[in-house]
Amino acid sequence: DAGITQSPRHKVTETGTPVTLRCHQTENHRYMYWYRQDPGHGLRLIHYSYGVKDTDKGEVSDGYSVSRSKTEDFLLTLESATSSQTSVYFCAIRGLHGELFFGEGSRLTVL
Amino acid sequence: GIQVEQSPPDLILQEGANSTLRCNFSDSVNNLQWFHQNPWGQLINLFYIPSGTKQNGRLSATTVATERYSLLYISSSQTTDSGVYFCAPYLGSSNTGKLIFGQGTTLQVKP
Repeated sequence: DAGITQSPRHKVTETGTPVTLRCHQTENHRYMYWYRQDPGHGLRLIHYSYGVKDTDKGEVSDGYSVSRSKTEDFLLTLESATSSQTSVYFCAIRGLHGELFFGEGSRLTVL
Repeated sequence: GIQVEQSPPDLILQEGANSTLRCNFSDSVNNLQWFHQNPWGQLINLFYIPSGTKQNGRLSATTVATERYSLLYISSSQTTDSGVYFCAPYLGSSNTGKLIFGQGTTLQVKP
């Protein structure tokens, strides 16, 4: 258990509405990540953070923004959700030896 | 970009049997992780293994980076081993957390 909590765990929303997913960690890890998992694509990196207010884009960042105002929280925002953003979203932290540990996932459905 | 191929795509075992899962990658990598995604969707870190062999109970993994493959061995399989096994090499520096996931091997262990 890497002390990662994602919220909400399940969300259904409508196209065009804003959505924010939260990742909270309790062990002061510097690096945090957001991935999405889709059938046929495995997991893909959306954004990552290497410190407070330090973020960078991943492989599939279009349509997403992130913020990290404090070490323990990494927020993923969909400014205007689309059906193509229906997915399972995983937060991850980088452990002491470099390996990634994932949270339990947040299932988002955009109608 | 780097391509990751996992084989076999599907595997059905009788409880107690042994198995070997393979991961081939198309380019040199600095590090690699194996994950187990259980039927509830949780991603569990199994191994962080840039090269050589590591063992954890009934599971072991071997990475031969120079030949661009990694193997995951499961011995005396149990029904709780069911799920999807992902191989994920790191692209570039481990700091970016950019894992490239294969499509996975879906394992079903029958009692």
